[in-house]
Amino acid sequence: QKEVEQDPGPLSVPEGAIVSLNCTYSNSAFQYFMWYRQYSRKGPELLMYTYSSGNKEDGRFTAQVDKSSKYISLFIRDSQPSDSATYLCAMSATGFQKLVFGTGTRLLVSP
Amino acid sequence: DAGITQSPRHKVTETGTPVTLRCHQTENHRYMYWYRQDPGHGLRLIHYSYGVKDTDKGEVSDGYSVSRSKTEDFLLTLESATSSQTSVYFCAIRGTESSGNTIYFGEGSWLTVV
Repeated sequence: QKEVEQDPGPLSVPEGAIVSLNCTYSNSAFQYFMWYRQYSRKGPELLMYTYSSGNKEDGRFTAQVDKSSKYISLFIRDSQPSDSATYLCAMSATGFQKLVFGTGTRLLVSP
Repeated sequence: DAGITQSPRHKVTETGTPVTLRCHQTENHRYMYWYRQDPGHGLRLIHYSYGVKDTDKGEVSDGYSVSRSKTEDFLLTLESATSSQTSVYFCAIRGTESSGNTIYFGEGSWLTVV
């Protein structure tokens, strides 16, 4: 069993929809949680970073961490075609030295 | 843009040949990383560096070596390339404390071993 599980998708939604992307994990020591967005043939770019539990909002993006369920989510409001990309979750127990990544969920937002 | 440049961006090489990938950064970051990305596996850490001449192994280090003789350059060498090392390789740096010490990635190097 992988430490971090992420549905590969693709997840197809119409423009304007609310998107929910999720990861589950097995290591209860994880405290640092990140979401990266990766466009085709590009490097991942950091979207959101949270420490421990709770919510964090940045514009149309909200990151949510539920440590009791070992479950993290990324919500995208008013999704746009430009949001079409692969979204990677990443997490770590000790900061950024040993990040463990999910395999990514491919999101397609149609006009 | 974290000032990371990877070279070469694309390379095709033959099995058994040595290959070196270069990562160059312009912002004097202490920590640098090499990851590989493969379908079904996501991003996996190969090696990382925490200073000049200071390196350590990651999750998938077998068959790879690294060197860091200058702060700005982190080299990844495949001593004798195999087909299983066909992958996309990403260099990354750790940002500053003001940015939450987060990891920023380069644009990737596509390596095909035939």
